[in-house]
Amino acid sequence: QVQLKQSGPGLVKPSQTLSLNCDISGDSVSSDSAAWSWIRQSPSGGLEWLGRTYYRSRWYNDYAVSVKSRITINPDTSKNQFSLQLNSVTSEDTAVYYCARISQRSQPVWGQGTLVTVSS
Amino acid sequence: DIVMTQSPDSLAVSLGERATINCKSSQSVFHVSDNRNYLTWLQKKPGQPPKVLINWASTRESGVPDRFSGSGSGTDFALTISSLQAEDVAVYYCHQYYAAPLTFGQGTRVEIK
Repeated sequence: QVQLKQSGPGLVKPSQTLSLNCDISGDSVSSDSAAWSWIRQSPSGGLEWLGRTYYRSRWYNDYAVSVKSRITINPDTSKNQFSLQLNSVTSEDTAVYYCARISQRSQPVWGQGTLVTVSS
Repeated sequence: DIVMTQSPDSLAVSLGERATINCKSSQSVFHVSDNRNYLTWLQKKPGQPPKVLINWASTRESGVPDRFSGSGSGTDFALTISSLQAEDVAVYYCHQYYAAPLTFGQGTRVEIK
């Protein structure tokens, strides 16, 4: 059974970098049938996909246009995890962040969520 | 980008009655090569992560009660709760993963009448 466990700080100061990790059990970050995404839900309620990383003979990343200049999603094969870094955060980045496995050849799995508040 | 539009925005249904949520995508999410629609239905309750109810538009996930069903293909989809229970009060989202950027509907709030 695939499980995703998130970790990272719940409070980030404005202009700093938000960093979260997602540990994978029951699958491999290097699987050629999986893709690993970060998604957030702001206090206003909507779900917003931020980006993903996946391996198909080489590593690929896709990012949402809204955060493309500030986001990095990296796989870590040694720890079987993937990470989110979002730079230059503002109060608009306050949200619950989820990691998820979402791909065309795998059943979807979501992490437990991490509330990240941007505040000084 | 594929825009997902749900209707209605909110729905109040009596216990034991049927609830139907519609979802329309701005372009087809049907993949010809494997004959699948790349669309899921999610249930979101406060303080909990989204729960996947239906994958590939009509495949119920393991452990999901059979009162939940998904239908549709191409650009038009529906989630039906055949007999609403109190524990079904939640916000429901459709979600396409046919193409990046992955996108979600705006959500439909289901309440008890």
